[in-house]
Amino acid sequence: DIQMTQSPSSLSASVGDRVTITCQASQDISNFLNWYQQKPGKAPKLLIYDASNLKSGVPSRFSASGSGTDFTFTISSLQPEDFATYYCQQYDDLLLTFGGGTKVEIK
Amino acid sequence: QVQLVESGGGLVKPGGSLRLSCAASGFTFRDYYMNWIRQAPGKGLEWVSYISTSGSAIYYADSVKGRFTIARDNAKKSLYLQMNSLRAEDTAVYYCARGQTTVDAFDVWGQGTMVTVSS
Repeated sequence: DIQMTQSPSSLSASVGDRVTITCQASQDISNFLNWYQQKPGKAPKLLIYDASNLKSGVPSRFSASGSGTDFTFTISSLQPEDFATYYCQQYDDLLLTFGGGTKVEIK
Repeated sequence: QVQLVESGGGLVKPGGSLRLSCAASGFTFRDYYMNWIRQAPGKGLEWVSYISTSGSAIYYADSVKGRFTIARDNAKKSLYLQMNSLRAEDTAVYYCARGQTTVDAFDVWGQGTMVTVSS
């Protein structure tokens, strides 16, 4: 199975801050990577697909990049509604796997 | 609107069985791959299984292989997960989720149904 390592596991930030999360795959997954946001008690929501494509309706302050084994997810200016947990997910392998998650908390 | 609604969760003893259902509406169910994904309390997301549009392609996570069976009924617009030989570590919220194209991103999720395995 392909292992996905997210870092950091948690971070504290203020409204307006730029936030960056990384995700590293245990082997080359090309651009077969997605990013999700999950708020407490809710189902996850797809934000970014194919490593860098913003899902329709998702604010443009969210972006992502990367290919191969190293990926980055960025929130350019953190908003109050962005405090949540973020997950990466690979689909290069038919056994799909998620990263461990990054909890973004209010400083 | 596009919607997935899970049902069938509950409390079951170790070694027991449970069948989850997921009812789809608002889209052409037979055109999409479907998935089950779970989340143990306070933990991250774990993909469990997916099934192709016709049911001809099915994959399972190693953690459930041989114990869980995914199925779909396109006429009823429903997805199922038969869970046998349940263990404490299967305790989780179980979500059904639609594949965006095939086996790729999960673009529509249900609200989840809680499964608790405990004596």
